[in-house]
Amino acid sequence: SQKIEQNSEALNIQEGKTATLTCNYTNYSPAYLQWYRQDPGRGPVFLLLIRENEKEKRKERLKVTFDTTLKQSLFHITASQPADSATYLCAPFVGSSNTGKLIFGQGTTLQVKP
Amino acid sequence: KAGVTQTPRYLIKTRGQQVTLSCSPISGHRSVSWYQQTPGQGLQFLFEYFSETQRNKGNFPGRFSGRQFSNSRSEMNVSTLELGDSALYLCASSLATSGNGADTQYFGPGTRLTVL
Repeated sequence: SQKIEQNSEALNIQEGKTATLTCNYTNYSPAYLQWYRQDPGRGPVFLLLIRENEKEKRKERLKVTFDTTLKQSLFHITASQPADSATYLCAPFVGSSNTGKLIFGQGTTLQVKP
Repeated sequence: KAGVTQTPRYLIKTRGQQVTLSCSPISGHRSVSWYQQTPGQGLQFLFEYFSETQRNKGNFPGRFSGRQFSNSRSEMNVSTLELGDSALYLCASSLATSGNGADTQYFGPGTRLTVL
């Protein structure tokens, strides 16, 4: 069956360091993969999208990589800040156009300590 | 532009009752998707509506249903509530211009449903 795995443990890092979050998927080949941020009690907020033919995508302090051979996406936050503390969700797109859907991982909780 | 709104924000029901949740998408967005979020299962896809038609469906029992109106507003209904239906129900809208995984989902704040 289709499966998405993100770091199950919470990630605790010191302010200023780079946070790296992992998303592994099995049994399918998504053409797109999205990353979202979710704060407690709120809905997820879109951060970045990467296509299967893109190896890397950047937006300000955020960087996403997509390795279709390893079936893995890595999400990096450089120069992390306490305000980056949240749960980060990866969401590969499964299925064909118009009938596909985003499948969300369980999320990784990031805690940035000052 | 106003964001996605969901009503009510909180709801308490008892087993066996039914509930209707409402979602108003961002103006101009034609696709509305519904998700259930629980601590154990994470964010799970319920269904998606596009132009008043259900375009995709997740693996939930028939007790979960939805519909979309001509103004793109959507409702979700859960009948014969069970304790396990307690969750945060999130609605998300998108422009759906490409109809594929490149569409960004804009989420509402969710409706917290508690079943006693």
